[in-house]
Amino acid sequence: NAGVTQTPKFRVLKTGQSMTLLCAQDMNHEYMYWYRQDPGMGLRLIHYSVGEGTTAKGEVPDGYNVSRLKKQNFLLGLESAAPSQTSVYFCASSPDRGGNQPQHFGDGTRLSIL
Amino acid sequence: ILNVEQSPQSLHVQEGDSTNFTCSFPSSNFYALHWYRWETAKSPEALFVMTLNGDEKKKGRISATLNTKEGYSYLYIKGSQPEDSATYLCAFTSGTYKYIFGTGTRLKVLA
Repeated sequence: NAGVTQTPKFRVLKTGQSMTLLCAQDMNHEYMYWYRQDPGMGLRLIHYSVGEGTTAKGEVPDGYNVSRLKKQNFLLGLESAAPSQTSVYFCASSPDRGGNQPQHFGDGTRLSIL
Repeated sequence: ILNVEQSPQSLHVQEGDSTNFTCSFPSSNFYALHWYRWETAKSPEALFVMTLNGDEKKKGRISATLNTKEGYSYLYIKGSQPEDSATYLCAFTSGTYKYIFGTGTRLKVLA
C-alpha cells in the first residue's frame, strides 16, 4: 500500500528559485493538507484542500501556492524561494472532515534554501 | 490563539519502565484529539482518535485517556521497549478541517 507519497524527498534551492512539491495519495481521500515542521514548533498548516478543484489557506500560507487539479494529487509551489522556507514539508490526507479519522502522512520533503 | 501543549518535551526511561505523558488542549469547541507515533525519518503514524470525554483507548502496551472538560489527554506506555523510542504527537481539532499540533514528547527507551 503506497498511502501518501511525496516527491522529492530532499532538495536544495538557491534563493529566488522556484519549485513544486508533489503529494499523491491512493486512498481516495477528499481532504489533503500541506504542513511545515520547524525545530521547536508543532506541524503548521500551510494550505489545505477539501476536494478536487478546491484549496484554502492555512496558518502560514505566505510564499506558497497550491493546486488540486486531480483528487489524488496536491501540489505545493514555491514561486520565489526564501531562506525562511527552509523546513521539512509534510503532506497528509484524510477521508474525514472533522477528525473522526486520523490523518495519513507522507514521509516528508526536506527543503533547504541557500 | 488556540494552543496545544505537550509535556515533557523529552524523557529517557529504562527498558521495562512504564511511562506517561500529557497533551493539554483548549477545553472549548472540542471535537477530537489524535495521538500519533513519529519515528525519526518516517511519517507520523496514527495511534488513537479520541472523541468522547472519559474515552480510554488501548493498543497493545499503549493506552490513552481523555478529559475534554479540563482539556487534557494522557498517553501511557506499559513496560517500555527500545522499539517504543519515538516522538509522540497529539493534535486537537474543533471539527473544522484544521488541526493544531503539539510539539511532541520525544521518548528514548534505554536497553
